[in-house]
Amino acid sequence: QQQVKQSPQSLIVQKGGISIINCAYENTAFDYFPWYQQFPGKGPALLIAIRPDVSEKKEGRFTISFNKSAKQFSLHIMDSQPGDSATYFCAAEEDGGTSYGKLTFGQGTILTVHP
Amino acid sequence: NAGVMQNPRHLVRRRGQEARLRCSPMKGHSHVYWYRQLPEEGLKFMVYLQKENIIDESGMPKERFSAEFPKEGPSILRIQQVVRGDSAAYFCAAAQVMNTEAFFGQGTRLTVV
Repeated sequence: QQQVKQSPQSLIVQKGGISIINCAYENTAFDYFPWYQQFPGKGPALLIAIRPDVSEKKEGRFTISFNKSAKQFSLHIMDSQPGDSATYFCAAEEDGGTSYGKLTFGQGTILTVHP
Repeated sequence: NAGVMQNPRHLVRRRGQEARLRCSPMKGHSHVYWYRQLPEEGLKFMVYLQKENIIDESGMPKERFSAEFPKEGPSILRIQQVVRGDSAAYFCAAAQVMNTEAFFGQGTRLTVV
């Protein structure tokens, strides 16, 4: 099935804390796993992405951890800031896609970072 | 995503009317994807187009919905005889070439009254 399940639905973190969002998938043909950040009234913007040949990718305060055997991946936001407050979506795309545009999205996590 | 322009940003239609949503990618971005986002849900893929061709419409409802991306001009998502369940945010994303990131526009919020 072409689902990506995301949790939690909402998350409240204090400034400076670590935000962790988890996703699980079933389709073993997925081979590209991006995370998107969406602010109210805006379109999703790519935050960070990973392919299954690595178990972790870090860009600044954002880290993706990937567990291929468990078919799970997660986003960690270190030193969370109020400006990180947004909705975060995980997504996945199948091997053989012609570009990174036909994505299966998770349901989204509303992150609130309190000052 | 500033390079992908969608208009209108907000659209209100009465039940039974037609809705036309436009997506203008940056020059050279010839791969266009349309997504629908229902309230408090993730985005759902609808259709993938290249110039003058529909590549994948597996996510499009079978009736009332159509999409095109002509040689000249924007991509159009057309919804005929809208119903309240069509109320959603519709996003398009555009990519330049194969195996590159697709950038999202800011979306069109359709409200059917």
